[in-house]
Amino acid sequence: RKEVEQDPGPFNVPEGATVAFNCTYSNSASQSFFWYRQDCRKEPKLLMSVYSSGNEDGRFTAQLNRASQYISLLIRDSKLSDSATYLCVVNWSGSNTGKLIFGQGTTLQVKP
Amino acid sequence: NAGVTQTPKFRVLKTGQSMTLLCAQDMNHEYMYWYRQDPGMGLRLIHYSVGEGTTAKGEVPDGYNVSRLKKQNFLLGLESAAPSQTSVYFCASRLPDRVSYEQYFGPGTRLTVT
Repeated sequence: RKEVEQDPGPFNVPEGATVAFNCTYSNSASQSFFWYRQDCRKEPKLLMSVYSSGNEDGRFTAQLNRASQYISLLIRDSKLSDSATYLCVVNWSGSNTGKLIFGQGTTLQVKP
Repeated sequence: NAGVTQTPKFRVLKTGQSMTLLCAQDMNHEYMYWYRQDPGMGLRLIHYSVGEGTTAKGEVPDGYNVSRLKKQNFLLGLESAAPSQTSVYFCASRLPDRVSYEQYFGPGTRLTVT
């Protein structure tokens, strides 16, 4: 089983749609969770951290379910500029050395 | 601030050749990382460093060596390149902060080994 698994997609949605991405992780000792965004042929950039209580940043909502070892990202009112690959990221065994495990990414294509 | 920079941006090597990838950051970050990214796969950690003069292995260290002689620089070496090392290499850095684990990435080096 992969340590961090995502549905690679692609997800093709019209502008204005709501889309949700899911991610599961295998290491129950993981303590920090993130969503990174990666544009084509560019470096990953932090989109948002994921907190136990869930958190929202504008049109983006992240949820964490520790019991099920499951993370989600919801994007409301999709924009063309949201087209990118979204990487689910988990820290390794709660280590403070910052070792992160990346999922393979979910590709989103928002169409006019 | 330039953030994290990587040199070179592109390189083509023949099997058996050697090269060094340079990563530099001007954010005074303690921790630095080297990743590789292959199609259909997430980023995989090659080596990392938690401070000047220290390095450690990540998930896929074989065939690579690293050095952190200065805090701002992290070098990744390929002693004898193989086609399996064709990939995009990303460097990243961050502060040693337990609360915020954001890693800042460089723009990547695209390496092809023929």
